[in-house]
Amino acid sequence: AQSVTQPDIHITVSEGASLELRCNYSYGATPYLFWYVQSPGQGLQLLLKYFSGDTLVQGIKGFEAEFKRSQSSFNLRKPSVHWSDAAEYFCAVGGYGGGNKLTFGTGTQLKVEL
Amino acid sequence: EAGVAQSPRYKIIEKRQSVAFWCNPISGHATLYWYQQILGQGPKLLIQFQNNGVVDDSQLPKDRFSAERLKGVDSTLKIQPAKLEDSAVYLCATKNGPGDSPLHFGNGTRLTVT
Repeated sequence: AQSVTQPDIHITVSEGASLELRCNYSYGATPYLFWYVQSPGQGLQLLLKYFSGDTLVQGIKGFEAEFKRSQSSFNLRKPSVHWSDAAEYFCAVGGYGGGNKLTFGTGTQLKVEL
Repeated sequence: EAGVAQSPRYKIIEKRQSVAFWCNPISGHATLYWYQQILGQGPKLLIQFQNNGVVDDSQLPKDRFSAERLKGVDSTLKIQPAKLEDSAVYLCATKNGPGDSPLHFGNGTRLTVT
């Protein structure tokens, strides 16, 4: 069965500081990995995705993520956080082996201090 | 392109009542998902459609939940009768393409069962 673990429920960073959100996955085949962001009252917006090739992927809003197969991780990073980045972030795993079903983690709530 | 449309945005009902949610996908998107997002948790897949056929409904509580996708376009999700634990945001997501294609989410319907 596929699963995602986001060990940090809440994270607080100062504006301008760097950010790393952790994500570990379990999947029986080559995974497709995604990061989504959700602002209050909104649906989920795709930040970036990985499915093959370069293990460092770039996304929107200055985010990037690195796929590490040996660690089953797909951590999200941003070098300098902006106050508008405050939101909830979800990591998700899927793929052909899972019938294209996407499984989400429980999310990390990001708070940005000015 | 227009996004995924969901209605209503909010719904408050008493337990044992019935409720229905509606989703209009992005034009041409063959795959449609309904997710349940309980407060503080990640989205959980309820049902997946490919055109008007059900691909996966293994996590749908079929004694009270039902869903259909007539003509492979719009979809409705119904709960009858509702329980307190059904209070959640119900998200519709659609995509067009293989497993690595991203999901496009609607803004969801927030259901409160009292």
